[in-house]
Amino acid sequence: AQKITQTQPGMFVQEKEAVTLDCTYDTSDQSYGLFWYKQPSSGEMIFLIYQGSYDEQNATEGRYSLNFQKARKSANLVISASQLGDSAMYFCAMSFVGAGSYQLTFGKGTKLSVIP
Amino acid sequence: DAGITQSPRHKVTETGTPVTLRCHQTENHRYMYWYRQDPGHGLRLIHYSYGVKDTDKGEVSDGYSVSRSKTEDFLLTLESATSSQTSVYFCAAQRGLAGGLGDTQYFGPGTRLTVL
Repeated sequence: AQKITQTQPGMFVQEKEAVTLDCTYDTSDQSYGLFWYKQPSSGEMIFLIYQGSYDEQNATEGRYSLNFQKARKSANLVISASQLGDSAMYFCAMSFVGAGSYQLTFGKGTKLSVIP
Repeated sequence: DAGITQSPRHKVTETGTPVTLRCHQTENHRYMYWYRQDPGHGLRLIHYSYGVKDTDKGEVSDGYSVSRSKTEDFLLTLESATSSQTSVYFCAAQRGLAGGLGDTQYFGPGTRLTVL
């Protein structure tokens, strides 16, 4: 079974500072993927970044980077130069091969608040 | 983005009544998913579809059924709604790539369902 743990229910960061959101995972699979999604107060789920388990380089997408440490089974999201619009819930998820499709298991989320 | 819409966006119903939620996508994605989101639980998979008329159960499928008669539409039915099914329901779609652990799931805007 796959499990995602996000240990920070809520976090605060000063505008323009960097912030790291923690995510650890548990799986016995050798092949898997790790995703981060953002959910602003408006409610939609927005895909941010993806890292494959065999990718040697950490994924980056603009101000987002994924700090992937395979041995520690961690996939932390780093947001550089935080903006007020980054205030949202952030979900870490892991993809795995399910019966008939590629499924996701989600963590419970971290609520990030950016302070002006 | 898979051009995903959900209807209705909000619904209030009474215990014991049947409810059907609709998910529609315009990108001919192969896989579709229904999740529910509850405080403290993240997103949990209810049912999914890996093709027309091909569906399977997820983690929290009791009390729900689904149907997919066309590629673009995936219906979620609560046969007899209960208060425990009060939740926000998200539909997602995924293109369906070979070797697709990195195949991103794109989400609809969500449906807020209240069962009184």
